[in-house]
Amino acid sequence: AQKVTQAQTEISVVEKEDVTLDCVYETRDTTYYLFWYKQPPSGELVFLIRRNSFDEQNEISGRYSWNFQKSTSSFNFTITASQVVDSAVYFCALSSSGGYNKLIFGAGTRLAVHP
Amino acid sequence: EPEVTQTPSHQVTQMGQEVILRCVPISNHLYFYWYRQILGQKVEFLVSFYNNEISEKSEIFDDQFSVERPDGSNFTLKIRSTKLEDSAMYFCASSDRKNYGYTFGSGTRLTVV
Repeated sequence: AQKVTQAQTEISVVEKEDVTLDCVYETRDTTYYLFWYKQPPSGELVFLIRRNSFDEQNEISGRYSWNFQKSTSSFNFTITASQVVDSAVYFCALSSSGGYNKLIFGAGTRLAVHP
Repeated sequence: EPEVTQTPSHQVTQMGQEVILRCVPISNHLYFYWYRQILGQKVEFLVSFYNNEISEKSEIFDDQFSVERPDGSNFTLKIRSTKLEDSAMYFCASSDRKNYGYTFGSGTRLTVV
């Protein structure tokens, strides 16, 4: 069975702090894809990143970075120098190469960045 | 940048009524999906649609639900007889190939009273 666990329900930080959102996944498939989405208060789902299971390179995009470790089945997301606009719910999601690509979402982590 | 368009953004309906949620996927995409998010909860897969038929569905997607691509551009989700527990945000998504980053619509908030 596939599963995504985001153990942190809520995180509260002060602006300019660094924050890491944890994501642990379970799958028996050897080929799979991991995603992060941002859901701001307006409610839409904003795509942040996709990573396939064969690419363990860490990725940096501006203040965002992702650490993918197959050995621990984790795909963690770090925001450097957080800003108030980063306040949102962040979802980690998993899909396998087989089937028609349904996404299994974690429960989400609500990030509140205070001025 | 191409978008997935969902209408209406918010719909209120009485219990037992039929509702149709509408989506216009990105034009060259071939895979279409519906997801549901009950307020404050996780996003849950409902159904995927490819080549004019359902390719996969979850246990949530029972006989009360149906999907259709009536005219080559729209993709609809119908709930035949709404229940209070159908109140949720419904997201449409499309993808141009398997396992590529989805594009989600901005959602339809359905409130059943």
